This record gives sequence, C-alpha cells and structure tokens, in this order.
Amino acid sequence: EPEVTQTPSHQVTQMGQEVILRCVPISNHLYFYWYRQILGQKVEFLVSFYNNEISEKSEIFDDQFSVERPDGSNFTLKIRSTKLEDSAMYFCASSERGLGASEQFFGPGTRLTVL
Amino acid sequence: AQRVTQPEKLLSVFKGAPVELKCNYSYSGSPELFWYVQYSRQRLQLLLRHISRESIKGFTADLNKGETSFHLKKPFAQEEDSAMYYCALKPDSGYSTLTFGKGTMLLVSP
Repeated sequence: EPEVTQTPSHQVTQMGQEVILRCVPISNHLYFYWYRQILGQKVEFLVSFYNNEISEKSEIFDDQFSVERPDGSNFTLKIRSTKLEDSAMYFCASSERGLGASEQFFGPGTRLTVL
Repeated sequence: AQRVTQPEKLLSVFKGAPVELKCNYSYSGSPELFWYVQYSRQRLQLLLRHISRESIKGFTADLNKGETSFHLKKPFAQEEDSAMYYCALKPDSGYSTLTFGKGTMLLVSP
C-alpha cells in the first residue's frame, strides 16, 4: 500500500540555521499539506499546496517558512532561520482531492530539535 | 474560526469495558468530522469519518449537530485499541485543512 514518506526522521539544528524537511507524497495525490505538533500540544495546520502553489496557510506559516515541489515527487518545507520554538514534530500529508471528505494520508513525521 | 475540543487527555479502561471518547466542536457551518488514530510508533491514520456512517474496528461516531459533538464509541474495548485518538474538523467552505483536537490517550488494560 502506498505511503507518504518523510526524511529525515530526526533533525537537530542550531538556532538561526536553515532546515529543509522532505516529503514524498503518494504518487497520484494532488493536494499536499504540512502540519506540526509541538510536544504536548495539538497537531496544527501550517500550509496546503495544490497545482504548484499555496492554497491555504495558517498564521503560523510566516515569512520564515516556504514550501516547494522541486521535482514532481518531493514536497519540501523550508524554515529559513530556525527558532527554539520551531522545535516540533512536522507531519506531511497528501490527499487525492482537496474538497469533500477526501482522506489525508500522513507521513511518519520529522522531529525537529532546535538548540 | 473553528475549534475542536477533546476534554480528556487520558482515558483508562479495562478490556471489555465500553469506551466513549468525547469530541466537541465549534463551527458556524456544516463541518466534516473525522477521527484519526495514532498507535504507538506509527503514523496518524484515519479511523472514520462522519460522512461514511461506518463502523471501523468496532468504533462508531455520530455527528450531533445540536450538541456540536462527535463522540467516538466502542461497546467493548480491546487492548489493541490503546492509542492516541484525535478528533478533527474540516470546514464546509471549500477549504481542505484539518483542525485537530488535542487528542485523548486511550489505555486499555487486561
């Protein structure tokens, strides 16, 4: 059964450094998402992406963040200058459709630790 | 803005006991509601959605618009049901994003 994959599983970085989190969505899916979960808190929506552009983004997704689909298979989340409060689990998800009760399939997550 | 509330952080029951994980939502329109489950060391996965009106692994959930609730129920809990359960809402306004509750950890003891 096809799955969303994410790399790396754990990323440790120094404050102020740039990080890129990578995701490979399920191949026939058209909608892509990033969520994050700070330890002990809820899963929060960051951004959705469709047709090579951002379709929605939350207040969390400020100018420090960007997303890209560089090669037709990968979907990346870049944090330009990491802050301590960016430490969280980052989940990528994809779905066939955006509207309706289309299931979002989640990746296993990347744990980002900012020191 | 929409909000999802799961009042219990932890629910601990014995095997065979009934289970009800509570979920209340706040949204002015007609949302779509989901339950996601995360077993130990596994990814988030969809358990069920209200629109399907189905029973998955013995779990059911009914959308109560009057009480703005979408509680998850199972008559007889099994040890393998132990997991983190998240209630999630998707607006009906054409947006695709999910708003999650904080989650409830269900522990089923033998």
